[in-house]
Amino acid sequence: SYELTQPPSVSVSPGQTATITCSGDNLENIYISWYQQKSGQSPVLVFYEDNKRPSGIPERFSGSTSGNTATLTIGGTQATDEADYYCQAWDSSTWVFGGGTKLTVL
Amino acid sequence: EVQLSESGGRLVQPGGSLRLSCAASGFSFNIYAMTWVRQAPGKGLEWVSYISAGGDPTKYTDSVKGRFTVSRDNSKNTLYLQMNSLRAEDTAVYYCAKTPGLRIDAFDLWGQGTMVTVSS
Repeated sequence: SYELTQPPSVSVSPGQTATITCSGDNLENIYISWYQQKSGQSPVLVFYEDNKRPSGIPERFSGSTSGNTATLTIGGTQATDEADYYCQAWDSSTWVFGGGTKLTVL
Repeated sequence: EVQLSESGGRLVQPGGSLRLSCAASGFSFNIYAMTWVRQAPGKGLEWVSYISAGGDPTKYTDSVKGRFTVSRDNSKNTLYLQMNSLRAEDTAVYYCAKTPGLRIDAFDLWGQGTMVTVSS
């Protein structure tokens, strides 16, 4: 089955840009979705279908894909962005999540 | 308010059964495909099952095929997950989630989750 690989952790200073990567085979041919999960809370969709951001999600959150790597970029990172982030793909048969990346805002 | 609310999670012995429910409100439940996603304690997210807006087709991750059954009652705006032959590795918070609409790649609304613990 499909596999998505994320770094376990990423650290960023407040106000800087955070980048979280997600690697897998042939990512340019599928849509990657990104979820934010704060401690003790349910996941929240923050970016999907290459260029869509759900209502209420700041424009600071954006996604891109190049080759075998998808990237979630968070501009002007704030303390409130500290959370686990998961990428997810659908291969027309099953839905797969990456292992998650813990974003720490130092 | 648009929301999903799961219920039914509890402590159950290995080999036992449980039925989870997910009540939807604030949107037209009958036109959206739905899914179940679980998260074991301290672990990541794992997709479990899918059901189309009309109830067919359904899909399952390999580890629950033959044991779990997803269904829905559109007249009651409720999604279900019947879980049989439960194992310790099924212990997790179970979330129901809604797909955005025309496409089913992503899950744009999640419930608060319900905890299932399988232990003797």
